[in-house]
Amino acid sequence: KQEVTQIPAALSVPEGENLVLNCSFTDSAIYNLQWFRQDPGKGLTSLLLIQSSQREQTSGRLNASLDKSSGRSTLYIAASQPGDSATYLCAVSAAGNKLTFGGGTRVLVKP
Amino acid sequence: DTGVSQDPRHKITKRGQNVTFRCDPISEHNRLYWYRQTLGQGPEFLTYFQNEAQLEKSRLLSDRFSAERPKGSFSTLEIQRTEQGDSAMYLCASSWGLAGGDEQFFGPGTRLTVL
Repeated sequence: KQEVTQIPAALSVPEGENLVLNCSFTDSAIYNLQWFRQDPGKGLTSLLLIQSSQREQTSGRLNASLDKSSGRSTLYIAASQPGDSATYLCAVSAAGNKLTFGGGTRVLVKP
Repeated sequence: DTGVSQDPRHKITKRGQNVTFRCDPISEHNRLYWYRQTLGQGPEFLTYFQNEAQLEKSRLLSDRFSAERPKGSFSTLEIQRTEQGDSAMYLCASSWGLAGGDEQFFGPGTRLTVL
């Protein structure tokens, strides 16, 4: 059974610092890995999708890496801003197309 | 492209009542998913449709839960005889795909509170 873990569960940084969020998964037989952002009481916004054959994906200040063999992904957010405060979730897609999510990392960027 | 929409956004009900939620996927998407998220946790998979066929159901989906996707368009999720443990955010997602690993796009969710 696939298990996804995100460490740390919460993170507080001053504005301008780079953010590093970690995600690990137990079964490397995945199709892809997605990173999402969730604001309080809202739905999920897709940030980046990394296919299993890719090593990284970039969008603006966001960069995500994937090491399938070791079951790890890292999301980097450069030059954090207060508007980056949210919960960040990673999820892996395997057979059956369902996503298995981690518990999320709650990020607070202080002005 | 109006995105995935869900209705209602919030529902408060008394224990034992039945509730029904609706999800409208992105129009060209053939796959539709339901997830449940409790406070402080990541979403958990409930069920998945490809067109009108329900292809997978989680063990979380007890016999009080039923989902449909008539004509492969919108979907409904019904919970009968609600219990306090059903209180959660119910999220719908859709995607386009024929094989595996599609990018899923989520709606705003329906927050259910069972008193």
